[in-house]
Amino acid sequence: IVLTQSPATLSLSPGERATLSCGANQSVSNNYLAWYQQKPGLAPRLVIYDSSSRATGIPDRFSGRGSGTDFTLTITRLEAEDFAVYFCQQYGSAPLSFGGGTKVEI
Amino acid sequence: EVQLVESGGGLVQPGGSLRLSCAASGFTFSSFWMSWVRQAPGKGLEWVANIKQDGSEKYYVASMKGRFTISRDNAKNSLYLQMDSLRVEDTAMYYCARGRVLAVNWGQGTLVTVSS
Repeated sequence: IVLTQSPATLSLSPGERATLSCGANQSVSNNYLAWYQQKPGLAPRLVIYDSSSRATGIPDRFSGRGSGTDFTLTITRLEAEDFAVYFCQQYGSAPLSFGGGTKVEI
Repeated sequence: EVQLVESGGGLVQPGGSLRLSCAASGFTFSSFWMSWVRQAPGKGLEWVANIKQDGSEKYYVASMKGRFTISRDNAKNSLYLQMDSLRVEDTAMYYCARGRVLAVNWGQGTLVTVSS
């Protein structure tokens, strides 16, 4: 499954709302779609799994939704620590695949 | 606290070999599937391989099957990745991750550079 993320870059200010998209070229089984956050020089961090469940320690300003081939990660009220690259990943079928990423920048 | 610490990366010539290690702590290592995920410089993520709790099942991305071998030692709380016949395109940061298909926890990564 090929995942396409848009936009490639999102330029926003702290306090604004971020909406990131992840589209699949075929349906993601059981909506097994995850989002990871990666800051420069650091390993990725799981943010959302099963399309809409927040990982441990993730604040509630992060939310995920979607099904089938269209998924969205929303960050309400961006904070300075949220500026990073976000990757989506499908784990419903082999081979596992990641999207190309969306950079959320100030 | 879950900790995953990778080691063993470095510079290797094309066709060469490297063995990566990942030391796990803060959880019952033998109870979890473990995986390796890689990221080429400035690029996206790619799942490499995963291994079942007892090592009885192993899965690889097609492009690495036959060249890479994932293994584990539950007595030492350690995960390994033996990489043979390395290619320039294998240059990447290699991350150890807890999970079978979902990387719940990640190590800091170890850099592998394949170059002549």
